[in-house]
Amino acid sequence: AQSVTQLDSQVPVFEEAPVELRCNYSSSVSVYLFWYVQYPNQGLQLLLKYLSGSTLVESINGFEAEFNKSQTSFHLRKPSVHISDTAEYFCAVSETGGFKTIFGAGTRLFVKA
Amino acid sequence: DGGITQSPKYLFRKEGQNVTLSCEQNLNHDAMYWYRQDPGQGLRLIYYSQIVNDFQKGDIAEGYSVSREKKESFPLTVTSAQKNPTAFYLCASSLWDDKNIQYFGAGTRLSVL
Repeated sequence: AQSVTQLDSQVPVFEEAPVELRCNYSSSVSVYLFWYVQYPNQGLQLLLKYLSGSTLVESINGFEAEFNKSQTSFHLRKPSVHISDTAEYFCAVSETGGFKTIFGAGTRLFVKA
Repeated sequence: DGGITQSPKYLFRKEGQNVTLSCEQNLNHDAMYWYRQDPGQGLRLIYYSQIVNDFQKGDIAEGYSVSREKKESFPLTVTSAQKNPTAFYLCASSLWDDKNIQYFGAGTRLSVL
């Protein structure tokens, strides 16, 4: 059965510092991988997705994630964070042929001035 | 604009009262979902529907009911049997395929008076 583990519940970081939010998954079949972002009191927004092809995917606001099949990971990175990146980030996985998405427990990113 | 509309944004429930949360989408998606979000617990699936007039229980369906009479609408009723209803409720929709990319509404925050 598939599962998603986000290894950090909270990540505090100073503005303009780099950040990595970690995500590992387990599955016996091929997967699709997603990162969603949730700003306070709002719904989730799709940040980026891996469906196929290049294992490095990027968002329009400078985040990137790399699919590592051997390590079953899909870590999210940004080289320089802004105060406005403060939010909760959810990693999610769906299995090919599975018609279901499993969400991780979330990582709260807190960017300090 | 295409999207998902949840209403109301805030809702208060009295003891023994049933309350209904509205979810409407104009994305022409087949599938719709209801999630409950509690602090530090990520998203938990309450119910989902693949098609009109059909729906399935998720992981925490007890104390909740749904209907799917129209493709665009998937209301959630929190019944008096749900003893701890205080939470943030999120509605989502997707195409019914194995990628299962979900799009979310802005959420309804339910509190008990």
